[in-house]
Amino acid sequence: GAGVSQSPSNKVTEKGKDVELRCDPISGHTALYWYRQSLGQGLEFLIYFQGNSAPDKSGLPSDRFSAERTGGSVSTLTIQRTQQEDSAVYLCASSLGGTSGAAYEQYFGPGTRLTVT
Amino acid sequence: GQSLEQPSEVTAVEGAIVQINCTYQTSGFYGLSWYQQHDGGAPTFLSYNALDGLEETGRFSSFLSRSDSYGYLLLQELQMKDSASYFCAVRDRRGRRALTFGSGTRLQVQP
Repeated sequence: GAGVSQSPSNKVTEKGKDVELRCDPISGHTALYWYRQSLGQGLEFLIYFQGNSAPDKSGLPSDRFSAERTGGSVSTLTIQRTQQEDSAVYLCASSLGGTSGAAYEQYFGPGTRLTVT
Repeated sequence: GQSLEQPSEVTAVEGAIVQINCTYQTSGFYGLSWYQQHDGGAPTFLSYNALDGLEETGRFSSFLSRSDSYGYLLLQELQMKDSASYFCAVRDRRGRRALTFGSGTRLQVQP
C-alpha cells in the first residue's frame, strides 16, 4: 500500500506568483491535514478536512492561502501572490476516521519544499 | 494562547535511556502525541496518550499526567538510528484531530 504522496517535492517561485501543492492521501483515510514547517521549527497547522464536513481553516495564515479536497481524496493547497515568508516545507498528512486510537495516528507525506525568491 | 515546551537538544550515548519532557498550556486537551522526524524526512507517529499513565511500545514509552499538563517520551536502549528530532503534539479541540506541535527536541546519540 502506498503512503501519502505529495508533489512537487521542490518548488522555487518568484515573489508574487501563485503556487499549487498537491497531496494524495492514503486510500481509505477520511481525514486530511496540511501543516507547514519552517527550518528547525515545529509543524504549524494550516487546514483540516474530515469526510464531507466543512474544512477547519482556522490555521490558514492569510486569505492568500486556500485548499480544497476533491472527491474526498486528493487535496490541493494554493498560495496566491507568494511572499518570501511563505518559504517552508509544506506537509500533508492523512488518518483514519472514527474514534478508535488508530484514528489519531497521522501519516505524513514527504513534503513540498517551497522557496520564494 | 497555545504553547508546548520541550528541550531543544538532548545528547545521550548508545545503550542509555533518555527522557524527553513536554509541558503544555492549551485551551483544551484531548490527547498528547509524539512524532519522530529524521533530518530531511517526514514525521512518523510514535505514540498517543489520551489518559493518564504510561504506554509502552517496544523501546519507546510515553507518559501523560493531565493534572500536571505534562508528558514525556522515554527511549530505552538507545541506538544510533534514534538520532532525530522528537515532537510532542497536543490535540486541543474536541472533534478535531489536527495537532498543535512543540518546537521539537533534537536527540543526538553518541557512540
